[in-house]
Amino acid sequence: EAQVTQNPRYLITVTGKKLTVTCSQNMNHEYMSWYRQDPGLGLRQIYYSMNVEVTDKGDVPEGYKVSRKEKRNFPLILESPSPNQTSLYFCASSAIEGYGYTFGSGTRLTVV
Amino acid sequence: DQQVKQNSPSLSVQEGRISILNCDYTNSMFDYFLWYKKYPAEGPTFLISISSIKDKNEDGRFTVFLNKSAKHLSLHIVPSQPGDSAVYFCAASDIGEYGNKLVFGAGTILRVKS
Repeated sequence: EAQVTQNPRYLITVTGKKLTVTCSQNMNHEYMSWYRQDPGLGLRQIYYSMNVEVTDKGDVPEGYKVSRKEKRNFPLILESPSPNQTSLYFCASSAIEGYGYTFGSGTRLTVV
Repeated sequence: DQQVKQNSPSLSVQEGRISILNCDYTNSMFDYFLWYKKYPAEGPTFLISISSIKDKNEDGRFTVFLNKSAKHLSLHIVPSQPGDSAVYFCAASDIGEYGNKLVFGAGTILRVKS
């Protein structure tokens, strides 16, 4: 089944404790992206990637890091999480520029 | 500064009638416009898109209209069904140097009453 898999689905952590949210796609897509969803703000792009080793900042990159060492994986790293990073995170991938992204099921992160 | 705006937080429609969801944008350089549908506890799913060089695209019950001069697009669902109840996000694609930068609106909650 073609899909984008994120882990974990739910995570509660403490301020300052480094964490990684993994994302993997099995569709051989070039494009991958991370979004966060907050009430009243919709989905905001954190980082995106065109291919292996090619990444760029989205609209809200502060406090996040990404890497694209393999085509299928695009982990999101929070080096020192803060409460304002409490949010619902989505990873997505796409084969075609300008076309629909396939989204993962989301990761609900709470930073206390 | 929101480049993509959905000014109606919610919309309620009777089953069988038309649902019209609206979206405005500010950046005239967007290449594509897309609509996504989202159910609770799931990721958004792609619904329909339209290139910036077209003014209409149809897919079954779903039609998207683009008015470039007004920087406005709309999604029409005819006839509306209870299963269409979800959050609908409008998105615009900006093809950057490093890939596909997709900018989303805040979403509109559609409720279809049976």
